[in-house]
Amino acid sequence: ILNVEQSPQSLHVQEGDSTNFTCSFPSSNFYALHWYRWETAKSPEALFVMTLNGDEKKKGRISATLNTKEGYSYLYIKGSQPEDSATYLCASRAGNKLTFGGGTRVLVKP
Amino acid sequence: DTAVSQTPKYLVTQMGNDKSIKCEQNLGHDTMYWYKQDSKKFLKIMFSYNNKELIINETVPNRFSPKSPDKAHLNLHINSLELGDSAVYFCASSQAFSGGADTQYFGPGTRLTVL
Repeated sequence: ILNVEQSPQSLHVQEGDSTNFTCSFPSSNFYALHWYRWETAKSPEALFVMTLNGDEKKKGRISATLNTKEGYSYLYIKGSQPEDSATYLCASRAGNKLTFGGGTRVLVKP
Repeated sequence: DTAVSQTPKYLVTQMGNDKSIKCEQNLGHDTMYWYKQDSKKFLKIMFSYNNKELIINETVPNRFSPKSPDKAHLNLHINSLELGDSAVYFCASSQAFSGGADTQYFGPGTRLTVL
């Protein structure tokens, strides 16, 4: 994997359902993996930073895991609520540069 | 209190003009960044300054020149604006550059439209 890739690009979730999506990144020269939440017309807001293989972070109903050996991270949203609707960005730090993925746009339907 | 602020929020200008976007952070961070959100909505790093020194300079036309008068400010000056420069530009800051685990805090973005 040469770039940071996120899948799916978008997903619709029914309120109350749980969901997850993926960030894939180059495992070579890896230093850190960031997750951001980006609401329309606002600026990206940091959720998590993870550095170690096997790291797990949690913030309320949102959690993330990290596998640096295979180069992927999952973000989970438990019991989705309409306010969770946003684009979720991941970014990988390799060397001195933070490279962002294209985001997963999540729409939670009431 | 706004942590990372950018001015202006919207900028509409003619091709060929020179314009500046200002960024200020009141977080006491050492490192500041400029990103461009391209047409596919990707955030692409343009520049990074650490303690007023340039540390990242991606392949950006020479018409773009960052200036950091002090640690709390990183301004972006663009000469001879072209249609393709139309985009949203985001400023960000982080505590320190070393390591890379530092969280970046983003400004609200400046939407530049070149006519």
